[in-house]
Amino acid sequence: NAGVTQTPKFQVLKTGQSMTLQCAQDMNHNSMYWYRQDPGMGLRLIYYSASEGTTDKGEVPNGYNVSRLNKREFSLRLESAAPSQTSVYFCASSGLGGGGNSPLHFGNGTRLTVT
Amino acid sequence: AQSVTQPDIHITVSEGASLELRCNYSYGATPYLFWYVQSPGQGLQLLLKYFSGDTLVQGIKGFEAEFKRSQSSFNLRKPSVHWSDAAEYFCAVGADTGRRALTFGSGTRLQVQP
Repeated sequence: NAGVTQTPKFQVLKTGQSMTLQCAQDMNHNSMYWYRQDPGMGLRLIYYSASEGTTDKGEVPNGYNVSRLNKREFSLRLESAAPSQTSVYFCASSGLGGGGNSPLHFGNGTRLTVT
Repeated sequence: AQSVTQPDIHITVSEGASLELRCNYSYGATPYLFWYVQSPGQGLQLLLKYFSGDTLVQGIKGFEAEFKRSQSSFNLRKPSVHWSDAAEYFCAVGADTGRRALTFGSGTRLQVQP
């Protein structure tokens, strides 16, 4: 049982380049999330998807787009990367009740550097 | 909107000593509260959660936390720390209305001295 799988694990981009971070979960969870982690700031919510077919902005959505491709997959796209987007990105999922009142299951993260 | 404060950025304890990590939350109704642990280079793992009922909750790895409504706190404790407990710890709060996602504190990094 893989849980939440993120690809790639590491990525270096130049300013202005685009890329998509992939996330898939095999726990049949309804809700999925993208967070970014920066030193001293904890995890901040970028976007989330409470159920298949819906997406909503979190605290820091600017510069990102998401796609809930199906129940299993939730991708995060950077259209034009900026150095301020250098961060570690975590995908997470949760089951019944959604993320407000149920635990999140996290992937191992993608470490992104934008030069 | 809910928020979480973890006042201690970095804590160092000796192996075998007791541990308390502080967490204060802000939320108008009864919150859902969580503690997560993150080892270097890893994702976050759930230690314990509080939804309702008994205010002292037990988690994995010998951790416990106590919900104190009057102090808006949910502090994490362990009676005797092991070297393997060195990691970063995050408190989080959730709600079943509004944005249905967890809000995390900024984390506390725990160092364990031999």
